[in-house]
Amino acid sequence: EPEVTQTPSHQVTQMGQEVILRCVPISNHLYFYWYRQILGQKVEFLVSFYNNEISEKSEIFDDQFSVERPDGSNFTLKIRSTKLEDSAMYFCAILPFRGNEQFFGPGTRLTVL
Amino acid sequence: KNQVEQSPQSLIILEGKNCTLQCNYTVSPFSNLRWYKQDTGRGPVSLTIMTFSENTKSNGRYTATLDADTKQSSLHITASQLSDSASYICVVSANRDDKIIFGKGTRLHILP
Repeated sequence: EPEVTQTPSHQVTQMGQEVILRCVPISNHLYFYWYRQILGQKVEFLVSFYNNEISEKSEIFDDQFSVERPDGSNFTLKIRSTKLEDSAMYFCAILPFRGNEQFFGPGTRLTVL
Repeated sequence: KNQVEQSPQSLIILEGKNCTLQCNYTVSPFSNLRWYKQDTGRGPVSLTIMTFSENTKSNGRYTATLDADTKQSSLHITASQLSDSASYICVVSANRDDKIIFGKGTRLHILP
């Protein structure tokens, strides 16, 4: 089973600050995804990333969000100016080259004060 | 509109008992349906994945069924253990490379 790690495990930030969440897949994969889960609510799709480009994004993924693979390995989600309502668990997921199932990382808990 | 509905919202059973969780979906076109287990504060972990042609899939004490005609799925847990306490999420994919649609999950509590 593919392994995905995320850093940090918990991030606390002040409203208006920028945060960068990182996803580190152990091996190369086809698709990358970011999801978020507000406490007590269901998991929501944010964005999918294929071949170093955004493949699809939801209405949640507005201009304050961006994704990239800065070094061809790590996959990052940047929130430029955090809002209180950005507080949530953020999960990275990967889709292996020869699979049809996404594997999730352990998540980063973002707390915006 | 693509939707995934799960029931019950929460369930409490005694250790050793069996239970069945339900999932109804309106996702089209259908690619696959997965059940995930999510412990509190952790990422979802895959239990089963079924494509259109599969009616049942087992993973240890977990057995998932799929009726593609009625667009219903169930997850049956046999001889529950305390460690089964978690949220169980039904997820449906419209296409292999498309975003997937999550249900709200069923929160299962196993009591000793």
